[in-house]
Amino acid sequence: DSGVTQTPKHLITATGQRVTLRCSPRSGDLSVYWYQQSLDQGLQFLIQYYNGEERAKGNILERFSAQQFPDLHSELNLSSLELGDSALYFCASSFSGQNTGELFFGEGSRLTVL
Amino acid sequence: QQQVKQSPQSLIVQKGGISIINCAYENTAFDYFPWYQQFPGKGPALLIAIRPDVSEKKEGRFTISFNKSAKQFSLHIMDSQPGDSATYFCAASNGNAGNMLTFGGGTRLMVKP
Repeated sequence: DSGVTQTPKHLITATGQRVTLRCSPRSGDLSVYWYQQSLDQGLQFLIQYYNGEERAKGNILERFSAQQFPDLHSELNLSSLELGDSALYFCASSFSGQNTGELFFGEGSRLTVL
Repeated sequence: QQQVKQSPQSLIVQKGGISIINCAYENTAFDYFPWYQQFPGKGPALLIAIRPDVSEKKEGRFTISFNKSAKQFSLHIMDSQPGDSATYFCAASNGNAGNMLTFGGGTRLMVKP
């Protein structure tokens, strides 16, 4: 158990809908990262937050947004969903936003868009 | 642009054999190179990592070899076991750009009993 909690574990929705994925980082970790894992794209970095502030941005679509709250949990909002958004979404956390090494990953939220 | 290329995509090894997975990177600013192991239904978990000031790091049956001039690094799994069957990802990060990891495409390893 990595200590990172993601909810929901599974989510099925329709095209055009909006969903919110939630992540609780390990106790004491200040930085949260979101990754998308699909069969043909591997693990793609979406966005990083450190202590409530956006720290780095990857290949995140404009339809997607995220935030980190004062209690350090984070939410990833996916809107106007398309079939291609079906994927595993992972949250990871680390103590620092600097290059200290290990990221601890949750078990992911599997999104299916029908 | 894929900055970390990983090969092979899949690998089948007999129990007791050596599994070798290779990665190449483009960004010379990368300064941390971890390998993650992922079992079905689970998130990736750190297996072993290396920084560019050393050419090799060994932890038990797992060894990273690092070639800075060639911008390549590899994972060797000695005495491979069926329990090692998983997907392995190499990754890289740049400390000046935060701690986000850029992952390779993954290698699905199957170790046959």
